[in-house]
Amino acid sequence: QVQLQESGPGLVTPPETLSLTCTVSGVSVSSERTYWTWIRQPPGKGLEWIGYVYYSGGTKYNPSLKSRVTISVDTSKNQFSLKLNSVTGADTAVYYCARRIAATGERFDYWGQGTLVTVSS
Amino acid sequence: AIQMTQSPSSLSASVGDRVTITCRASQGIRNDLGWYQQKPGKAPKLLIYATSNLQSGVPSRFSGSGSGTDFTLTISSLQPEDFATYFCQQDYDYPLTFGGGTKVEMK
Repeated sequence: QVQLQESGPGLVTPPETLSLTCTVSGVSVSSERTYWTWIRQPPGKGLEWIGYVYYSGGTKYNPSLKSRVTISVDTSKNQFSLKLNSVTGADTAVYYCARRIAATGERFDYWGQGTLVTVSS
Repeated sequence: AIQMTQSPSSLSASVGDRVTITCRASQGIRNDLGWYQQKPGKAPKLLIYATSNLQSGVPSRFSGSGSGTDFTLTISSLQPEDFATYFCQQDYDYPLTFGGGTKVEMK
């Protein structure tokens, strides 16, 4: 079955770069009509869409983070990654990777378990 | 960005109750609306997509309706496992946005 798993440091010192990887199993990241997505949730708060990467490498980002975000895909490893630079305490959140599929309505149908990233010196 | 406003932000209900959660978009989003359930410490789980389509494996007591700017998630008979937080999400325009959430608590 489809599974996604986030990995990366749980603590990042400001103003360094937050780097996370999502390893996908059960499906190829090269699937069409599939957008590999990052979403975050600050503790006790709501969900914020960060952006996505398509297997071709095409990307789209939230304008609120666009200047600091890079999402990339590695088809050989069946992974995709998030880099967020110049982090501050406001970037402390649980980060989720998710599959967004475009088929009779787009939706996030599979999610990773999430990984808490704390930004602190 | 399209703002998604959920109401209420929380509610108390009993097992067997019919529960209705509302989501309003700041502009028309056709039927490009999904609902997610989240339990503490867990990732959100897709319940409904494209306003009214039940995700595979989701119990039929969950249903969705609406169009344009106003949408509703209904749980026809609340079960113990349904106590959770529910989020709506618009998939009409970027940036994709979520509602603030509705926490369903036990009365």
